[in-house]
Amino acid sequence: QITLKESGPALVRPTQTLTLTCTFSGFSLTTKGVGVGWIRQPPGKTLERLALIYWDDDKRYSPSLKSRLTITKDTSKNQVVLAMTNMDPVDTATYYCARISGAYSIPWGSPFDYWGQGALVIVSS
Amino acid sequence: DIVMTQSPDSLALSLGEWATINCKSSQNVLYSSNNKNYLAWYQQKPGQPPRLLISWASTREAGVPDRFSASGSGTDFTLSISSLQAEDVAVYYCQQYYNDPWTFGQGTKVEIK
Repeated sequence: QITLKESGPALVRPTQTLTLTCTFSGFSLTTKGVGVGWIRQPPGKTLERLALIYWDDDKRYSPSLKSRLTITKDTSKNQVVLAMTNMDPVDTATYYCARISGAYSIPWGSPFDYWGQGALVIVSS
Repeated sequence: DIVMTQSPDSLALSLGEWATINCKSSQNVLYSSNNKNYLAWYQQKPGQPPRLLISWASTREAGVPDRFSASGSGTDFTLSISSLQAEDVAVYYCQQYYNDPWTFGQGTKVEIK
């Protein structure tokens, strides 16, 4: 059974750094083709993929947020961590982590086949 | 970035009716080397995460009812629900995973009339 679960603070002050952890089970992030991404969704709005880390530690970031994002993995703990600096109220959203499993070759794309339940993060002073 | 544009933004149909949602990408998402369209469809019900319905433009995921079907290639794609059920009330998103950054459409809200 594949599961993913997001954890982190529900409330963050403006200018602070948000650190979210995705803890997963049922698959390995050392398997070729597998990756874990972070996607956010502001209330009532669409989805935005923030970052993705592949099994080989290759990383992808949203160009508009790249300077604020860092994604890392700890395969021994089955965790992926996203850090987002300089938080602003516009960053208020539900943050999801999700898995891809079919990224075997160029162009390294694969749909998100399993998702966590999401973590609502509110940015407010 | 590839812009994904869905139409309509919302639709309200009676139970049993046929629903059609369109998705247009600003660039081609068909990779000619493997002839695959890097396009997915997701269903999101209130308070839930998105659920993958369709991958590679037309491949239905395991457990997805066969009233859901999808087609298209290149830049134009369609998701169809052949006989709308009450449990299909949701927002539907298309997503391209061909060119980074992967992007989503704005969503189409499906309701029962």
